[in-house]
Amino acid sequence: KAGVTQTPRYLIKTRGQQVTLSCSPISGHRSVSWYQQTPGQGLQFLFEYFSETQRNKGNFPGRFSGRQFSNSRSEMNVSTLELGDSALYLCASSLEGGDLAQYFGPGTRLLVL
Amino acid sequence: AQTVTQSQPEMSVQEAETVTLSCTYDTSESDYYLFWYKQPPSRQMILVIRQEAYKQQNATENRFSVNFQKAAKSFSLKISDSQLGDAAMYFCAYRSAYNNNDMRFGAGTRLTVKP
Repeated sequence: KAGVTQTPRYLIKTRGQQVTLSCSPISGHRSVSWYQQTPGQGLQFLFEYFSETQRNKGNFPGRFSGRQFSNSRSEMNVSTLELGDSALYLCASSLEGGDLAQYFGPGTRLLVL
Repeated sequence: AQTVTQSQPEMSVQEAETVTLSCTYDTSESDYYLFWYKQPPSRQMILVIRQEAYKQQNATENRFSVNFQKAAKSFSLKISDSQLGDAAMYFCAYRSAYNNNDMRFGAGTRLTVKP
């Protein structure tokens, strides 16, 4: 089975712009979670989607949003980018009913100038 | 709320030696899953080992094994015969078996392997 894929892998934006990141989960996985990883804050949970519905949400401002499509692919959007949004954004998928392990994609590295 | 604590920000080990990474967690639930993830520098996060709380036997995956102490809420990772490729950031994680809760991660331990 193919692993979790994320596009794009690298992105450079300027303050005030918006960005959309995409994640395709492992085939059959219906749960997709997003994380922000920075050297100072570690791994921070953004949100989780399951069957096109947001199931859990972390403590991030409303500029961060996401959605999931019927094929379980997910996108996250960050509007009005700030310098502090520069980070590695990780997507992970998991299989319901199993051991709930999450399988991670390679991440999208976002740099905001 | 469940929390995961990794008290060792950095560890180092000599190649071929054994190292143990610590993890403790706080929960009031009786059934849950615990995981160790490895993130090599600039590379993808991968699942190393998993443990289900109601299973008494400690999980083992080749050179990686865990010491799961449910009463103490401790879940340490032992890496035997350390190799240069084991150098990475290691994250301990917790996920409830009951609720559709998000996975909780520790802050990570950076492992250096010395040749």
